[in-house]
Amino acid sequence: GQNIDQPTEMTATEGAIVQINCTYQTSGFNGLFWYQQHAGEAPTFLSYNVLDGLEEKGRFSSFLSRSKGYSYLLLKELQMKDSASYLCAVRGDNQGGKLIFGQGTELSVKP
Amino acid sequence: DTEVTQTPKHLVMGMTNKKSLKCEQHMGHRAMYWYKQKAKKPPELMFVYSYEKLSINESVPSRFSPECPNSSLLNLHLHALQPEDSALYLCASSQERGGTEAFFGQGTRLTVV
Repeated sequence: GQNIDQPTEMTATEGAIVQINCTYQTSGFNGLFWYQQHAGEAPTFLSYNVLDGLEEKGRFSSFLSRSKGYSYLLLKELQMKDSASYLCAVRGDNQGGKLIFGQGTELSVKP
Repeated sequence: DTEVTQTPKHLVMGMTNKKSLKCEQHMGHRAMYWYKQKAKKPPELMFVYSYEKLSINESVPSRFSPECPNSSLLNLHLHALQPEDSALYLCASSQERGGTEAFFGQGTRLTVV
């Protein structure tokens, strides 16, 4: 079966660092995506990992371990505008480009 | 330009109406997707087009009919929808089906009355 798990909710403080974890079990693996989605808006692409290791892009970093079926999204210097849902999505082999999404992590950033 | 444009942004339709959702991208992407998203749920794939040919249909009811007139455009024709079809409909595109980036449009908020 296909399963992607991430925490439902997280709370963090403005200026702090937060790590959102994602574990997956899928039929094959051909890349993992992170998206940010504000309420009522479309998902915004944040990162893509297909090889093990850390990808850094400004305040956002994403890590992948294929052997562990594990990824995390790291957000540094949190801002109030980072309050959003963060979606982990996996593309399996022979999936024709299909992304399988986790349920999303609702992040609340407090002052 | 990393923009995927969807129209209309909002749509209210009756169960006997016929309407169409439109999606456009000018990034030269050859894979385009329709997703459906209910409140507080992740997007669910409906259709994938690759090089203007339908490559995946996720067992979507026939009241939803996709069309890809050319490499930049993707339509979703709607007919005889049910109230439970009310959702945010998202279009996305990527360079290829296995592209390293996939961009979403702003979505069409559909309400079926």
